[in-house]
Amino acid sequence: QQQVKQSPQSLIVQKGGISIINCAYENTAFDYFPWYQQFPGKGPALLIAIRPDVSEKKEGRFTISFNKSAKQFSLHIMDSQPGDSATYFCAASLAGLQLTFGSGTQLTVLP
Amino acid sequence: EAGVAQSPRYKIIEKRQSVAFWCNPISGHATLYWYQQILGQGPKLLIQFQNNGVVDDSQLPKDRFSAERLKGVDSTLKIQPAKLEDSAVYLCASSPLHGTANYGYTFGSGTRLTVV
Repeated sequence: QQQVKQSPQSLIVQKGGISIINCAYENTAFDYFPWYQQFPGKGPALLIAIRPDVSEKKEGRFTISFNKSAKQFSLHIMDSQPGDSATYFCAASLAGLQLTFGSGTQLTVLP
Repeated sequence: EAGVAQSPRYKIIEKRQSVAFWCNPISGHATLYWYQQILGQGPKLLIQFQNNGVVDDSQLPKDRFSAERLKGVDSTLKIQPAKLEDSAVYLCASSPLHGTANYGYTFGSGTRLTVV
């Protein structure tokens, strides 16, 4: 019930391409869905987040698409850049309590 | 504002030895979390403090792990004795209040533990 499943495990994209990472959750009580970006040797940093009453949220090149009926959400990175190469984690929380993380996606953007 | 401080950055110990990690959260943040991140996996919550009280330690292996947050500020996580499977990055995070994981949830850079 508390799991968040993330795919793919790794992703290689050409510069300028679109990166898409998917997550699925089981607990319908989750009410906050953030994405975190982690560079080697650093802790995860909040990238963008969405609540289930919204189907899409865009911040610059980053967009979250949320499908409440399918219990799925995804991160789209438009015009991917080599500097976006990092590990991305989806997460979910309930009532602002601790975050449950997905397993992560290692993104490599080729120059 | 200063971020979440953790030390040491790296630690290598032999199995059955003990080790301790330290975390200083963002000033004024009441809630402090310790996460374990095994290579290739997402962070997993070990323990959550609200001020100096434990909110959730259901996933803390209490036979070998302990944590404290004296005076409701900095915190120490200890492993005694360590096992090979404890090799991981130990991340500390903080947020302003309990129930505010949605806001200002900030991670430190972590301590990378290698047990040999």
